[in-house]
Amino acid sequence: NAGVTQTPKFRVLKTGQSMTLLCAQDMNHEYMYWYRQDPGMGLRLIHYSVGEGTTAKGEVPDGYNVSRLKKQNFLLGLESAAPSQTSVYFCASRKQGTLNTEAFFGQGTRLTVV
Amino acid sequence: TQLLEQSPQFLSIQEGENLTVYCNSSSVFSSLQWYRQEPGEGPVLLVTVVTGGEVKKLKRLTFQFGDARKDSSLHITAAQPGDTGLYLCAGGREGQLTFGSGTQLTVLP
Repeated sequence: NAGVTQTPKFRVLKTGQSMTLLCAQDMNHEYMYWYRQDPGMGLRLIHYSVGEGTTAKGEVPDGYNVSRLKKQNFLLGLESAAPSQTSVYFCASRKQGTLNTEAFFGQGTRLTVV
Repeated sequence: TQLLEQSPQFLSIQEGENLTVYCNSSSVFSSLQWYRQEPGEGPVLLVTVVTGGEVKKLKRLTFQFGDARKDSSLHITAAQPGDTGLYLCAGGREGQLTFGSGTQLTVLP
């Protein structure tokens, strides 16, 4: 009963390094999301996807890229990490529906850029 | 800029007190959701409100959707330390799901 799984759970990067965060869901959900959470800011949407092969920008997309080559996976890439990208990153997925369906979240990835 | 504004941002109360948290937007949503997040975990859904003016109750929690479907409130009666957490409202449009700024609630024993 995995639900939404994020890897890695923790990572420290040096400024300018690149990395990819992986999100996998086993619920056959159409929609997937990447958020970042900073103190006092709630969850801010980075990018999202409404289906395999499609992605769209959210509120704070700059410095990030995403890909959804398979329905169950949503990858978040940082090409050149900056200290401002130090944050906790959450992936979520939910079933497509006319009204808001329940979003299920991963456990988060704590990223520190030094 | 957050499309959904929550107030207050922080709330610290004594056990047994009542409280209300607000979620406001200039946009109309087909539905709004409330989530609760505990430290080190992802948010978990509490409720979805769909109809303007709708009221839903979940034990000591009462959720209301505004008549114009632009705002919502969460009222907790007789708060308990177990209610401590970050409360988030969320609205969706065309597949996008946006969260409010959150209310950090601390209930002191």
